[in-house]
Amino acid sequence: DGGITQSPKYLFRKEGQNVTLSCEQNLNHDAMYWYRQDPGQGLRLIYYSQIVNDFQKGDIAEGYSVSREKKESFPLTVTSAQKNPTAFYLCASSVAELYEQYFGPGTRLTVT
Amino acid sequence: DQQVKQNSPSLSVQEGRISILNCDYTNSMFDYFLWYKKYPAEGPTFLISISSIKDKNEDGRFTVFLNKSAKHLSLHIVPSQPGDSAVYFCAASAMGGADGLTFGKGTHLIIQP
Repeated sequence: DGGITQSPKYLFRKEGQNVTLSCEQNLNHDAMYWYRQDPGQGLRLIYYSQIVNDFQKGDIAEGYSVSREKKESFPLTVTSAQKNPTAFYLCASSVAELYEQYFGPGTRLTVT
Repeated sequence: DQQVKQNSPSLSVQEGRISILNCDYTNSMFDYFLWYKKYPAEGPTFLISISSIKDKNEDGRFTVFLNKSAKHLSLHIVPSQPGDSAVYFCAASAMGGADGLTFGKGTHLIIQP
């Protein structure tokens, strides 16, 4: 069954701690993306990667970091520098030449 | 500066009737538009899309209309069903799409029995 998995579904951290969110896909997609959703808001792009070992900042990259060592995996680290880390985080992937992105189930991060 | 706008936060429609969700955009570079459906605490699901070279695309009960001169698109759902109750996001992309989508804030569609 092809798809995108994000784990865990819910994550709790103390302020000042870094936390890494997992995203794995077995769709053989080249491109992967991280978005953030806040209540009453649309999705905002954090980082994206079109190919292994390469990634670009999105609209709200400050306080986040990513890596793309394997085609299947695109983990997102929320660092202590992120001012408002509590949010719903969504990972997506797509075939490089196509616009349609397919999303994982999301991780809700709560930082207190 | 919001480049994709969905001005109706919510919309209530009777079951069996037509649902019309609207979206406006400001960036003339956008050349591809998508609609996603989202349930609470889940990832968005791709519904339907349209390229800027077309003005209509249809898929079953879903039709998207694009008016480039007005920078406006709409999603029509006919007939509306209870399972259509969800938040609908309009998204847009420019120049190949690989650099991410720009989303509106969403419209919460409620289908009433």
